[in-house]
Amino acid sequence: ETGVTQTPRHLVMGMTNKKSLKCEQHLGHNAMYWYKQSAKKPLELMFVYSLEERVENNSVPSRFSPECPNSSHLFLHLHTLQPEDSALYLCASSQDGGNQPQHFGDGTRLSIL
Amino acid sequence: QKEVEQNSGPLSVPEGAIASLNCTYSDRVSQSFFWYRQYSGKSPELIMSIYSNGDKEDGRFTAQLNKASQYVSLLIRDSQPSDSATYLCAVNFLPGAGSYQLTFGKGTKLSVIP
Repeated sequence: ETGVTQTPRHLVMGMTNKKSLKCEQHLGHNAMYWYKQSAKKPLELMFVYSLEERVENNSVPSRFSPECPNSSHLFLHLHTLQPEDSALYLCASSQDGGNQPQHFGDGTRLSIL
Repeated sequence: QKEVEQNSGPLSVPEGAIASLNCTYSDRVSQSFFWYRQYSGKSPELIMSIYSNGDKEDGRFTAQLNKASQYVSLLIRDSQPSDSATYLCAVNFLPGAGSYQLTFGKGTKLSVIP
């Protein structure tokens, strides 16, 4: 069983809805990440938090808003999404230091109607 | 632009054969290299890490790194149908500023035929 838990596993929402994705890690790591995985494309890094501070934002549209209240929890707040935002959203965590691998949650499959 | 390139496949091998998965990367300023396995509908699972030139073996898996050639590979011996998955190569690059950033290839789909 993964040490990184994501909820919900599946989410269907309209373009005008507001929803949030949740991620919790039980590995004692101090860095957390949001990725987007679309069909036939590599994993795209969206946000990086290290020691609860955002250190990376890869030109993600403002309709995606991350929140990291502590080193174990990470949220991705969604509002007025577009159909092209339909994808698998993956959360990962690692021990910050550059060389450490990341461990992934099971992801949230998001569908925008 | 830093990139990680993999042949998307599918790569088909018979059961019991050696599967060879290859990955090249575009930038020399990198320190750590990882292979992840992703089953359909599941999240990536770390299977190998390699940090220095040469080979690293773990059970049926061997990772090979050649930094001069910017090449990393994964060999799977005695391939089993349960190895059928997409294998993602990931490289930790050091950008011009900031912390290391893990960059993934598109993945190679492996099918092991019984």
